[in-house]
Amino acid sequence: GNSVTQMEGPVTLSEEAFLTINCTYTATGYPSLFWYVQYPGEGLQLLLKATKADDKGSNKGFEATYRKETTSFHLEKGSVQVSDSAVYFCALRGELTGGGNKLTFGTGTQLKVEL
Amino acid sequence: DVKVTQSSRYLVKRTGEKVFLECVQDMDHENMFWYRQDPGLGLRLIYFSYDVKMKEKGDIPEGYSVSREKKERFSLILESASTNQTSMYLCASSSRTGEVHETQYFGPGTRLLVL
Repeated sequence: GNSVTQMEGPVTLSEEAFLTINCTYTATGYPSLFWYVQYPGEGLQLLLKATKADDKGSNKGFEATYRKETTSFHLEKGSVQVSDSAVYFCALRGELTGGGNKLTFGTGTQLKVEL
Repeated sequence: DVKVTQSSRYLVKRTGEKVFLECVQDMDHENMFWYRQDPGLGLRLIYFSYDVKMKEKGDIPEGYSVSREKKERFSLILESASTNQTSMYLCASSSRTGEVHETQYFGPGTRLLVL
């Protein structure tokens, strides 16, 4: 079945540091890949997505590239801010999932950015 | 602006009680989902629905049931609450456009404590 593995947290960085959160997946065919973010006390919001190999998703300074050869979708940001402190979830939607569009989520990575 | 609302942010119930969690979306989405979120486990799908009166089991349906009588409303029911159902419950909805990568929109979550 489908699965997503992401690095364990918490990740603690100083403001303006470079961020990488690793995500690898297992799926048959050509899944779509997502990063969701959950700010404290809130539900999840879509951060970015990519639907085919070599696509790059980007939003709010975050980027992730769909690498089929390494089955990865690592999240990066060149300069983090305190306001980026949140939990980040990598997710995939498989190619063949029948009714609805079920997502498979990773366990989440908590990011803490300090001044 | 898209909106998914959940009936309660916090809920405290006793073991054995019947618990109803309500979710309403105003986007005319066909698909609706219930997840639970636990530390170290990420989000796990309980049930989903891709149409009125339709439901499918997710990965962890045991101890739960659902109801979808109207397109905009999806209810999660704990028939007899147990302490291991203490968790954060997240509702989501999405459009069924025929494309693989429809975005799921999440509610703010209900934190349930079962004593």
